[in-house]
Amino acid sequence: DAGVIQSPRHEVTEMGQEVTLRCKPISGHNSLFWYRQTMMRGLELLIYFNNNVPIDDSGMPEDRFSAKMPNASFSTLKIQPSEPRDSAVYFCASSSHTSGGASEQFFGPGTRLTVL
Amino acid sequence: SQKIEQNSEALNIQEGKTATLTCNYTNYSPAYLQWYRQDPGRGPVFLLLIRENEKEKRKERLKVTFDTTLKQSLFHITASQPADSATYLCALRSQGNLIFGKGTKLSVKP
Repeated sequence: DAGVIQSPRHEVTEMGQEVTLRCKPISGHNSLFWYRQTMMRGLELLIYFNNNVPIDDSGMPEDRFSAKMPNASFSTLKIQPSEPRDSAVYFCASSSHTSGGASEQFFGPGTRLTVL
Repeated sequence: SQKIEQNSEALNIQEGKTATLTCNYTNYSPAYLQWYRQDPGRGPVFLLLIRENEKEKRKERLKVTFDTTLKQSLFHITASQPADSATYLCALRSQGNLIFGKGTKLSVKP
């Protein structure tokens, strides 16, 4: 298996532009997570899907952020409009969630976003 | 307020020594705790999981302890090697999600 795939790996954009980050989870995994990592705040959970349904989006900073999972093999995280403070590394992770169980998460390589 | 803290941002040790990293938490009652390794420019990689009813877990040169009374987990790497140099993150489960510490950057000098 290729692992979790994210694209693009690097994105540089100007303030106000729309940014779309993409993720392909590991085949067979039923949970997908979007995280943001910065030096100041560390790794923060933005949103979590189970069986393609958003379960917890309390970490999404504001309405400028949105995430979708149209099928089991694809998810997007969109920022519109982007702002310089959104600059960070965004990770997608997937796991095989069992009810009440402890599941390790498999992380993608991340997308480094720079908003000028 | 809820907090998960890793005791130091950086730890420097000599090759062959045992590295000990600390993870403390407050106002959580996690059913389990996980440790991840993160190399520069890459995503975290899962290392070990320890449940609340387990005192200790081992995997090769790695050992994790979990003290729910002290609200603390210790992560040990014995016979450390320069290849062990990385950032190590602890994570605990809260309300179905994993909450991560900010990590400790370990440097093992030859």
